[in-house]
Order: sequence, then C-alpha cells, then structure tokens
Amino acid sequence: DAGITQSPRYKITETGRQVTLMCHQTWSHSYMFWYRQDLGHGLRLIYYSAAADITDKGEVPDGYVVSRSKTENFPLTLESATRSQTSVYFCASSPRDRGSYEQYFGPGTRLTVT
Amino acid sequence: DAKTTQPTSMDCAEGRAANLPCNHSTISGNEYVYWYRQIHSQGPQYIIHGLKNNETNEMASLIITEDRKSSTLILPHATLRDTAVYYCIVGGETSGSRLTFGEGTQLTVNP
Repeated sequence: DAGITQSPRYKITETGRQVTLMCHQTWSHSYMFWYRQDLGHGLRLIYYSAAADITDKGEVPDGYVVSRSKTENFPLTLESATRSQTSVYFCASSPRDRGSYEQYFGPGTRLTVT
Repeated sequence: DAKTTQPTSMDCAEGRAANLPCNHSTISGNEYVYWYRQIHSQGPQYIIHGLKNNETNEMASLIITEDRKSSTLILPHATLRDTAVYYCIVGGETSGSRLTFGEGTQLTVNP
C-alpha cells in the first residue's frame, strides 16, 4: 500500500532550467494539491485539482504549471526555475467523503535552485 | 476561508495530556475544523476533523465549543514522538476543499 509518493525526493537545478516534480497516489482520490513550504514557514497552496483534467490556481501559482491527465498523477512543472522557488514541495490528495476534505501528504521534494 | 489563531509554542511533559487551543471566530456554518501536525522535515499528517460534535480517534480528541468559535485538540498521553508543529485549519466545501495552513503551534514534549 504505497499511498502517495513523490519523486525525486531531492533535486538541485540551475536558474532558468525546467524541472518537473512528480506525484502519484494509489487511493484514486479525486482531489490533489501542490504546496510549497519555505524554511520556517507554513504551507502555501500552489495549485490543486478536483479531478482529471480539472485544475485551479492556489495562493502562489506564478511560475508553475500543472496537468492531470490521469487521476493518480499530478505533476508540477517549474517552467524556468528561479532561486525564489527553492523550497520543499509537498503533494497531497483528498477523498470526497460526506463533505469533509482531509488531505494526505507525500514525503516532499526538497528543491534547490542555484 | 475562516482564519485561525493558535499559540506559537507550547510545552508538555511526557505522559501528560497536551491541550492545544485554536480560535476560529469567523468560521461559517458548513466549515469543518481540521488538525494536522508536521514532524520536522516530514509531510504534514492528518490527525482529526469535526464539524459541530466532539470527535475522538486513535490519535487524539477534538473538542469544539458550542458556538464553534474555538476548539481544543487533546493528545491524552503525550510522548516524545508527538513533538511537532500542530496546525488548526478551517475549511471545506465553501473553499472548494482548499485548506489554508497558518504558522501553527510548536508543541515540545519534554521527558
């Protein structure tokens, strides 16, 4: 029972490069989310998806692109990485059960942009 | 989304109950109260949630006041492994299932 996984767990990239962070869940949850967490701060929502082919912006979407062609996958792409995007990225998924929306998080990807 | 207010930090002795308060005075009628925790460098972990009634599971109890303007998360017998940042979050259907994480409470369980 893998649950929710993220890859890679650690990534170092250069400014201007494109990088894609992967997220995969085995629960068939309808909702999926991407958050970033900067050192010493809480989580901020980047994008979320209510179902395959349905995505919407969160609090800090600029510089990021998402897609969701399959229910189980929700990749996050940084089109042209900047140093300000150095952060830990968490993916989460959520079922829709009687109107409650608890989220289950992956282990995170630590991204450093040099 | 309703905003929450939590103390920045709290301490608790191992084996004692940890009571973490949260104020959410602007909560709307169909918003849930969620609690998550984050142990250092790990992904956040869902603990419990509730709407109006008190809730209990294997991890914790959630006490919500009758007016729903505040709640308390109770860890009945805190252990060293419960040391973490605890987030109280309000949200649900009105926010399209988006949950907004604030700064949380750093709970330190001391031996």
